[in-house]
Amino acid sequence: DTEVTQTPKHLVMGMTNKKSLKCEQHMGHRAMYWYKQKAKKPPELMFVYSYEKLSINESVPSRFSPECPNSSLLNLHLHALQPEDSALYLCASSQDPWGQGWTTRSPLHFGNGTRLTVT
Amino acid sequence: GIQVEQSPPDLILQEGANSTLRCNFSDSVNNLQWFHQNPWGQLINLFYIPSGTKQNGRLSATTVATERYSLLYISSSQTTDSGVYFCAVENYNQGGKLIFGQGTELSVKP
Repeated sequence: DTEVTQTPKHLVMGMTNKKSLKCEQHMGHRAMYWYKQKAKKPPELMFVYSYEKLSINESVPSRFSPECPNSSLLNLHLHALQPEDSALYLCASSQDPWGQGWTTRSPLHFGNGTRLTVT
Repeated sequence: GIQVEQSPPDLILQEGANSTLRCNFSDSVNNLQWFHQNPWGQLINLFYIPSGTKQNGRLSATTVATERYSLLYISSSQTTDSGVYFCAVENYNQGGKLIFGQGTELSVKP
């Protein structure tokens, strides 16, 4: 079983809906990530949080809004999405914090993902 | 930035066969990880191996950092080995982000 838990597993939403994806880890990891993965493609980095602060935003559209309420939780708020945003959204965590010379030196652990369909 | 090339892109094996997957990268790396994504989308970290050799059961990996490649060996393959294998690398001096290869899709037939 994965130590990074994501909910929900599946989500179908309309373009006018607001929804949130949730991610939780209890490994004491200091960095948490959101990735987006389209079919037959590798994961693409969206956001990185280090010590609960946003360290990297890979020029993601504002209709995706991340939030890190505490060191164990990571949310991704979704609003006014487009059908092309349909994808597998993966949360990940790693031991090392980001920035200040630290990078993902430790293994990256992924959750099982949320399969999002935008209609 | 670093380019990551994985080969072969697709591989079909009979159960019990051995295979070698390759990951070439275009610049020096400080971090290299191998992942397996099963047909249900679960992405599992197999190895963290910036250099040297590691083994875990039927799987082993070798990274020759000076020659800029890594190999993933799968022995006595099983149907549960099916899925996509990704190599991901990172150079701390280039933004410190993991760059994923396009993956090798493995199908093991019973």
